[in-house]
Amino acid sequence: GESVGLHLPTLSVQEGDNSIINCAYSNSASDYFIWYKQESGKGPQFIIDIRSNMDKRQGQRVTVLLNKTVKHLSLQIAATQPGDSAVYFCAVSTPGSARQLTFGSGTQLTVLP
Amino acid sequence: NAGVTQTPKFRVLKTGQSMTLLCAQDMNHEYMYWYRQDPGMGLRLIHYSVGEGTTAKGEVPDGYNVSRLKKQNFLLGLESAAPSQTSVYFCASSSGQGWEQYFGPGTRLTVT
Repeated sequence: GESVGLHLPTLSVQEGDNSIINCAYSNSASDYFIWYKQESGKGPQFIIDIRSNMDKRQGQRVTVLLNKTVKHLSLQIAATQPGDSAVYFCAVSTPGSARQLTFGSGTQLTVLP
Repeated sequence: NAGVTQTPKFRVLKTGQSMTLLCAQDMNHEYMYWYRQDPGMGLRLIHYSVGEGTTAKGEVPDGYNVSRLKKQNFLLGLESAAPSQTSVYFCASSSGQGWEQYFGPGTRLTVT
């Protein structure tokens, strides 16, 4: 099976600072990783993904880093804004499944003024 | 496109009552999923479907049934609700070509 854990359940950052949210996974055969953002009262929303053949992928203000050696990935948010306040989940592909994802428990990011 | 929609948004049930949650997607996706989300926990897969007329069990299927009679709809049923089924339920869909899943807005269910 697969288990996914996050290092911190909560994270507070000052507006304008960079945020780093971490995630660890257990199955070395997992080859696809997604970060989702969930605002209060809403469903998870796709932010960025990365395949196992990559170490880094950048989007708009977000970067995902993947370290397959230690089975760890992180989401970096540059110049954090109040609208970034949300719960962030990593999701990891379940090998051999019907495109199933295993989700971490989430990190609540709070942006302080 | 509306994407993934869920009805109802909120529901309160008494123990032993039954209900059906409806999920609809307009993206012509093959795969659909039902999750539950509890405080401090990640999304847990209840049931899923890889195409019209197919269903399969996920991680936490007990107490739930599903049906996928039409490609665009995925129904989640609770035959006899229990307080342990108090949760937020999310439906998601995927094309099946990649891994990305698109989520609906959720249904908050309370069983008293």
